[in-house]
Amino acid sequence: NAGVTQTPKFQVLKTGQSMTLQCAQDMNHEYMSWYRQDPGMGLRLIHYSVGAGITDQGEVPNGYNVSRSTTEDFPLRLLSAAPSQTSVYFCASSRLGGETQYFGPGTRLLVL
Amino acid sequence: AQSVTQLDSQVPVFEEAPVELRCNYSSSVSVYLFWYVQYPNQGLQLLLKYLSGSTLVESINGFEAEFNKSQTSFHLRKPSVHISDTAEYFCAVSSNTGGFKTIFGAGTRLFVKA
Repeated sequence: NAGVTQTPKFQVLKTGQSMTLQCAQDMNHEYMSWYRQDPGMGLRLIHYSVGAGITDQGEVPNGYNVSRSTTEDFPLRLLSAAPSQTSVYFCASSRLGGETQYFGPGTRLLVL
Repeated sequence: AQSVTQLDSQVPVFEEAPVELRCNYSSSVSVYLFWYVQYPNQGLQLLLKYLSGSTLVESINGFEAEFNKSQTSFHLRKPSVHISDTAEYFCAVSSNTGGFKTIFGAGTRLFVKA
């Protein structure tokens, strides 16, 4: 049982490049979400999903796309990276209804 | 819309002293409330949560939080802190009628000094 896994751990991009942050969970959780963590801002919700085929926007969705084709995977896509997207990204999963969220180890992204 | 306000960005405290980390939330529906902890260079892990029932909830390492609906607060307390409690603490809120999404506060950095 690996829990929530994220790849890569660290990435450097140039402005305008695209990339996908991968997230997978093996706990059969319905709910998955992406957050970014910036100093003094806490965790801000980017996108979330309550099941395969269902996604919705969080607090800061601009510049990011997601899809949920399976229960296990929830990739986050940056279509055209900007320096403002430099951050640490966390993926999390849980059952629905007030359940504990389990977080991945994070991806540190630097956009030059 | 749901929101969370953590009233202190940093809280320095001496070892064995009591501490309170304050959290206020805003929501028009019934909520679930959480405290998560992040140790340096690690991900977040659950400290405690309130779903329903008793308004006082406790963690296994001596922290407790009290749900106060009239004041829309969920403050975290510990009567005697240890050096190992140094970490960042996040308050969070979610609800079934809020699309199940969980919103976090900005965090409170707890420094425990010897």
